[in-house]
Amino acid sequence: DAGITQSPRYKITETGRQVTLMCHQTWSHSYMFWYRQDLGHGLRLIYYSAAADITDKGEVPDGYVVSRSKTENFPLTLESATRSQTSVYFCASRGGVLAFFGQGTRLTVV
Amino acid sequence: AQSVTQLGSHVSVSEGALVLLRCNYSSSVPPYLFWYVQYPNQGLQLLLKYTSAATLVKGINGFEAEFKKSETSFHLTKPSAHMSDAAEYFCAVSPETNDYKLSFGAGTTVTVRA
Repeated sequence: DAGITQSPRYKITETGRQVTLMCHQTWSHSYMFWYRQDLGHGLRLIYYSAAADITDKGEVPDGYVVSRSKTENFPLTLESATRSQTSVYFCASRGGVLAFFGQGTRLTVV
Repeated sequence: AQSVTQLGSHVSVSEGALVLLRCNYSSSVPPYLFWYVQYPNQGLQLLLKYTSAATLVKGINGFEAEFKKSETSFHLTKPSAHMSDAAEYFCAVSPETNDYKLSFGAGTTVTVRA
């Protein structure tokens, strides 16, 4: 199916564990983004990528790692999850003016 | 640098009444501007966009927004609210340059009273 998909949709993990959120897009868009959504903050940019093997920090990158070995995939890894990383995470891709968002991953760190 | 301010985190309107959501931006270069809507437990859906063409932009579901450069505003309106308009709305900005990052406002939750 064409579009942008995130997996898993829901995840519960324990403090200190490593967890990876997956993002896959089928349009071959150059730009991809990871945002987190928290009440009162809207969406804040964690990391973004301009192309395969090119990534850069956004507004709130601490505690996160990204990679982009293929254009279509942009996984986000929490190296050692903390309760403050409990959030809804959105992946997006952009090939021109418009950005398209995935359905989100709701992550709970206990 | 660019930022977006949405005035009012929560707006409550009666069904059939005007919906007005306020957005002001700061940008060092002429921006692209967007309004997105998020229904519960869903992703973001584009309502409309401004890309340096007509200053009054029409979007989906009867929404429209007007770009006012002098006021650095991009307020969203809908003449008559429907129950299905209950959602969270986000204003976003991105410069016209090669910087593809989108900056979002904090969001405005709309509730519609019967």
